[in-house]
Parts: sequence; C-alpha cells; structure tokens
Amino acid sequence: DVKVTQSSRYLVKRTGEKVFLECVQDMDHENMFWYRQDPGLGLRLIYFSYDVKMKEKGDIPEGYSVSREKKERFSLILESASTNQTSMYLCASSTVGQGYEQYFGPGTRLTVT
Amino acid sequence: LAKTTQPISMDSYEGQEVNITCSHNNIATNDYITWYQQFPSQGPRFIIQGYKTKVTNEVASLFIPADRKSSTLSLPRVSLSDTAVYYCLVAFNQAGTALIFGKGTTLSVSS
Repeated sequence: DVKVTQSSRYLVKRTGEKVFLECVQDMDHENMFWYRQDPGLGLRLIYFSYDVKMKEKGDIPEGYSVSREKKERFSLILESASTNQTSMYLCASSTVGQGYEQYFGPGTRLTVT
Repeated sequence: LAKTTQPISMDSYEGQEVNITCSHNNIATNDYITWYQQFPSQGPRFIIQGYKTKVTNEVASLFIPADRKSSTLSLPRVSLSDTAVYYCLVAFNQAGTALIFGKGTTLSVSS
C-alpha cells in the first residue's frame, strides 16, 4: 500500500512566522506535489517536483517555496506566513507517466493568526 | 486557459447509478482525465483514469466521447458509503504540464 505521510495534521502559526510542511512517501515515486484546498475553490497546485532538486511552479506559487533534497521527501515552505495562507495543505506523489495517478496524504490544516 | 467544470452537488438513492460529468476545454489527445473521491478529513483517493473511449474497473467506469470536451464518471449501484466529494482532474500535457482540478461534486446518497 502506498503511503504518503505529512508531518502534522493541525498547525497554528502566527503572521510572519516561517512555516515548514513536510511530506514523505514510501513508494519510490518520482513525482511529488503540494496543493492547497479551500472551500469552493477545490484543489489548486502550488508546486510539483519530478526529481530530486527539480521543481515546477503550479497555479499559485506566490508566497511559497519548496525543497526536495531526497526522493522520498518534499517540503513546502511559507517564508513569512500570512492569514490568507490559512488552508488545508495536501501532499501527493505519483510515478512517471502522463496520467499522474496521485496518492495523497491526509492533509495539514494550517491556521495563521 | 485550461479549465474543468463539474456540478456542485448531486443527490441519489441507494442502488441507483450515478453519472457525474466534467467539462474540460482545450484538451489534447494525450491529456488524461482522472477522478478522485474524498471523504471529510482525508486526502483524495484515486478512482479511475483514462484518455479516450471507455475505461472500467471494479468500482467505476469512465466515459470519454470522441470530441473529448467532457468526461463522465459512472458509479453503478451507489450505497450510503459513496457519499463523498468527487473531483475530476485533467493533466494538460501541452507546452509543460498543468494539473487542473474541478471544484468538486458533493454526492449525497440517501436510503
């Protein structure tokens, strides 16, 4: 069974703090993804990575950065958290292929106050 | 501009077949359509994927007409446990990759 784990289920941070969200997958997948999910907006891609140290911007990369130093781990970084980054953050992984059959983690509910 | 559109909600009764349609513009012949199911407090879970005609697995079917401007997820004989949010995802593989989710369809199944 593919397993994608995220470091926290719930996180509360203050405005201006630097925030790290960690994601680990155990299936040796090449691709990893970070999404945010908001009511009425569905899932929106922030960044994805197709290999170690490689990344591509998604639809909403502003205010975020990512790091992938090891194949199994993909980190999302909020350099200076703001209240409009309060959201559910979902990590996913997939093998190489045009269909991107993704396996998702349980999500991190981030609240920025 | 790549976009996917699906109904906000649908209601059904146990034992009925449910069809959820996703409209997608500017889709190329090698762009895949994938459907996910999501329960509260969980990440989305893969249901089915395809890029043309019909695909069937043990839980659902996916129909993609020749013009590929839409696709339909078909759930045969739904049960109460199928109450969830269903998302379509189009992987636009043109000049780079764009992964565009629809906003989700909330399916409510009643007894």
